[in-house]
Amino acid sequence: AQTIHQWPVAEIKAVGSPLSLGCTIKGKSSPNLYWYWQATGGTLQQLFYSITVGQVESVVQLNLSASRPKDDQFILSTEKLLLSHSGFYLCAWSWTGTNERLFFGHGTKLSVL
Amino acid sequence: GQQVQQSPASLVLQEGENAELQCNFSTSLNSMQWFYQRPGGSLVSLFYNPSGTKHSGRLTSTTVIKERRSSLHISSSQTTDSGTYLCALGGSGGSNAKLTFGKGTKLSVKS
Repeated sequence: AQTIHQWPVAEIKAVGSPLSLGCTIKGKSSPNLYWYWQATGGTLQQLFYSITVGQVESVVQLNLSASRPKDDQFILSTEKLLLSHSGFYLCAWSWTGTNERLFFGHGTKLSVL
Repeated sequence: GQQVQQSPASLVLQEGENAELQCNFSTSLNSMQWFYQRPGGSLVSLFYNPSGTKHSGRLTSTTVIKERRSSLHISSSQTTDSGTYLCALGGSGGSNAKLTFGKGTKLSVKS
């Protein structure tokens, strides 16, 4: 069975500080990986996706970046947090292919003060 | 772009009552998914249902492509069903399962 683990569970960070969120998938080789973001009370938006190691596509520009250093790992980061980065970040995976079913991690709640 | 409208925005039920949640979309679709979002924010995949009817326990999802709508029926609701139900439309194709999410239906089931 596939499992998806996100870390940390929650973060409280200062404006201007760096951020790194991580996601690991076990039990599935070469998955498609995704980062989603949800502002408090807002709609889920896709930020990035990756279909293979070292390749990441940006969907929405939010002054964030993503990397896929290993087949089973997806990292979301920024060097300088903004207040608008607050919200809930979700990592997801799908089987390779188009419009496949998405499975989400438990998410990271980020508060930028 | 793709538009996904969910209704109602919120719903309060007594335990045991049934619920019908609607999702309407403005463009053609390649996929329709339903998710349950727990109060803490995590998402649970309920259905991947691009067309037709699917059942899972007390849940039924029906997608009618020609009418550009999908519904989620919850029978005999329980307090543990409380949370937000999201539908997500996949229609762009390509190598990315890019989903457009609705704003959700917030369900509260009272005992």
